[in-house]
Amino acid sequence: AQSVSQHNHHVILSEAASLELGCNYSYGGTVNLFWYVQYPGQHLQLLLKYFSGDPLVKGIKGFEAEFIKSKFSFNLRKPSVQWSDTAEYFCAVRRSSASKIIFGSGTRLSIRP
Amino acid sequence: NAGVTQTPKFRVLKTGQSMTLLCAQDMNHEYMYWYRQDPGMGLRLIHYSVGEGTTAKGEVPDGYNVSRLKKQNFLLGLESAAPSQTSVYFCASSYSTGVNQPQHFGDGTRLSIL
Repeated sequence: AQSVSQHNHHVILSEAASLELGCNYSYGGTVNLFWYVQYPGQHLQLLLKYFSGDPLVKGIKGFEAEFIKSKFSFNLRKPSVQWSDTAEYFCAVRRSSASKIIFGSGTRLSIRP
Repeated sequence: NAGVTQTPKFRVLKTGQSMTLLCAQDMNHEYMYWYRQDPGMGLRLIHYSVGEGTTAKGEVPDGYNVSRLKKQNFLLGLESAAPSQTSVYFCASSYSTGVNQPQHFGDGTRLSIL
């Protein structure tokens, strides 16, 4: 069965530190990849997505992610985090043309002011 | 433009009670989804619908039923609530599964079963 793994359950960083959150998936075919963010008390919002083309995807708020097909990975990065980035981050994968999106278990990011 | 609206936002039930969660979207989306979010488990798909009159099971469908009688509404029912169904429920919708069609989420319904 298709699965999505986010190995970091809770990451704590200081402001201005660099961020990388890992995401690996198990499906071997063509996939669509997503990162969603959930700020405290809010619903999920799309950060960025990859469907095809340039494997380095830029999203909102300075986030980017790189699709490495050979590693089945789609890691999220940000060069310098801010306190306002405190949230839970979810990686999600959908088989191309499928209707279901499978979410990872999430990574909680805490930023120390 | 309201997007995806879920009602109610909070509810407390006793074991064995029934209730229906309503999801409404005003974006003319074909696809609608119901997820539950539990600590450490991310979002798990309960049921989904690829169009009016259609429904399909997701990862964790047991104990839930759904209906999509109108394109804009997707109802999630609990016939006999159990404490294991205490969770935050999110509805989502998308126009299709094509390029640049992510899911749009509602604000969630926090459900507690005593």
